[in-house]
Amino acid sequence: GQQLNQSPQSMFIQEGEDVSMNCTSSSIFNTWLWYKQEPGEGPVLLIALYKAGELTSNGRLTAQFGITRKDSFLNISASIPSDVGIYFCAGQTTNAGNNRKLIWGLGTSLAVNP
Amino acid sequence: NAGVTQTPKFQVLKTGQSMTLQCAQDMNHEYMSWYRQDPGMGLRLIHYSVGAGITDQGEVPNGYNVSRSTTEDFPLRLLSAAPSQTSVYFCASRPGLAGVYTQYFGPGTRLTVL
Repeated sequence: GQQLNQSPQSMFIQEGEDVSMNCTSSSIFNTWLWYKQEPGEGPVLLIALYKAGELTSNGRLTAQFGITRKDSFLNISASIPSDVGIYFCAGQTTNAGNNRKLIWGLGTSLAVNP
Repeated sequence: NAGVTQTPKFQVLKTGQSMTLQCAQDMNHEYMSWYRQDPGMGLRLIHYSVGAGITDQGEVPNGYNVSRSTTEDFPLRLLSAAPSQTSVYFCASRPGLAGVYTQYFGPGTRLTVL
């Protein structure tokens, strides 16, 4: 089936550093979603992107919908310890939508050293 | 709003036992889904529903049943538990609006099958 390539798989950074992660696909998507999952919790939506080229911020987080519609990236500026968690991307294909068509990346695990 | 709630939070079963994982949402969302999350596998869709009385299979439906008698509730039934069903199960919901795919997740049920 369709897959998203999410990278890097894991990151270990110092507090205050900027972080960048991305997702790529062989298919064109019409929606990109970025979620964060903390230990023992369900994923929480961070940013939703609906248009190619769209750049959206949520506090220290910025995400972009790639112009080719096959990729997206998430940046975190000035990381803090509470940024720790697993970040997932998810994309919706251009087929008529239902839940089956939401494709998930395998996640980027982020650790922040205070 | 409580959002998406799941019970129980933890469960241990013996092989062959059956049980029902409960999921409820109070946001009047039309779409509800069940995912399982396993290490290295990301989120995999088990079953989903686009409205009361309508369900369909996702990526990994075998061994699970669902029903949707009301908008609010979407229980997941394990018919005869197997060790391969040891996982973390997440219920999610989203509005049935065209072009909106942002899902809201419950806190998860951690299931161990011995």
